[in-house]
Amino acid sequence: EVQLVESGGGLVQPGRSLRLSCAASGFTFDDYGIHWVRQAPGKGLEWVSGISWNSGYIYYADSVKGRFTISRDNAKKSLYLQMNSLRIEDAALYYCVKDMVRRHFTSPRFDYWGQGTLVTVSA
Amino acid sequence: DIQMTQSPSSLSASVGDTVTITCRASQIFNSILNWYQQKPGRAPKLLIYEASSLLSGVPSRFSGRGSGTNFTLTISSLQPEDFATYYCQQSYSSPWTFGQGTKVEIK
Repeated sequence: EVQLVESGGGLVQPGRSLRLSCAASGFTFDDYGIHWVRQAPGKGLEWVSGISWNSGYIYYADSVKGRFTISRDNAKKSLYLQMNSLRIEDAALYYCVKDMVRRHFTSPRFDYWGQGTLVTVSA
Repeated sequence: DIQMTQSPSSLSASVGDTVTITCRASQIFNSILNWYQQKPGRAPKLLIYEASSLLSGVPSRFSGRGSGTNFTLTISSLQPEDFATYYCQQSYSSPWTFGQGTKVEIK
């Protein structure tokens, strides 16, 4: 069974940093691109960042470019999101999401989602 | 960036009804358009990919079609478990944007 379990969320002040993690199981982790998608309370879905199976391709939404860094450790079957210079508008539930297609990155379909980790940004 | 606009933003329907949700893109792209269902307090679920391909295990009352800039999700014979929010998402180019969502409520 595919499982994606996020952790690392919490309450943080504006301008501070937070590191999210996602532990994967139930599939060959190093064959799939993985993404972060967020959802502010009561709002819609926003794609944040994605990384290909071999870390060769990394993309960011303009809203987080230069502040967030995505990375993965295939040996540990884990995905990370380093979030620096956090803003009020970064507050959201952050989902770790798996691409459906093996060794494919340019047109992701998100077939498995974690339950999310909540990031609250407040003074 | 490709902007995705869904309509309506919400709708009310009864069990057994057929409902159609529209997703319009700000520019023409190939049919790599996906549909997701999200229930309150739950993570989204992929229903349809590449505009019309039903994910394994998704009931056949869900169908998708479209090309160019206009896409639709149709739910035939609405069931109680279908009341949820639906999102389209383009996979043509990064950033891989979502529509704002359509909430399907019980009339």
